[in-house]
Amino acid sequence: DVKVTQSSRYLVKRTGEKVFLECVQDMDHENMFWYRQDPGLGLRLIYFSYDVKMKEKGDIPEGYSVSREKKERFSLILESASTNQTSMYLCASSITQRWQTQYFGPGTRLLVL
Amino acid sequence: TQLLEQSPQFLSIQEGENLTVYCNSSSVFSSLQWYRQEPGEGPVLLVTVVTGGEVKKLKRLTFQFGDARKDSSLHITAAQPGDTGLYLCAGGNAGKSTFGDGTTLTVKP
Repeated sequence: DVKVTQSSRYLVKRTGEKVFLECVQDMDHENMFWYRQDPGLGLRLIYFSYDVKMKEKGDIPEGYSVSREKKERFSLILESASTNQTSMYLCASSITQRWQTQYFGPGTRLLVL
Repeated sequence: TQLLEQSPQFLSIQEGENLTVYCNSSSVFSSLQWYRQEPGEGPVLLVTVVTGGEVKKLKRLTFQFGDARKDSSLHITAAQPGDTGLYLCAGGNAGKSTFGDGTTLTVKP
């Protein structure tokens, strides 16, 4: 079974803090994704990566950065957390093939005060 | 921009009833996934369909991919309280997925 783990289930941070969210997958998947999920807005893609050290902006990259130093690990960084970044953050991974089946982690619920 | 519209947005039914959830788009997708998500958890994959007209069954759940690969449906027979959750469809193209906004299903005992 594919396993995607996220470093924290719940996180509380203060405005202006630097926040690191980590995601690890154990299935040697090439592709990894970061989404945020908000009521009424669905899943929105923040960043994705097709390979180590590669990154591509998604639909809402502003205020975020990512790092992929190893194939199995994809980190999302909030350089200076703001209250509008309070959300559920979901990491996913997939293999490169014609059908894009993504496997999700359990999510990190981030509250920025 | 590719969009996926799901309907209905909310569905509340009694245990034992049947239901169908729809996922529609004007875009063609190379594949379509259905996920179920429980509160506070990540989406869990139910099925991937890749061929136009394809029908897949998973116990009481039946998934269909439209002939033109633009739409899909999920039918649940004899719903149970354990089916309660958010059902998401996602269309795949060019390495990325587009997600619908989801259908929130509540099955009352």
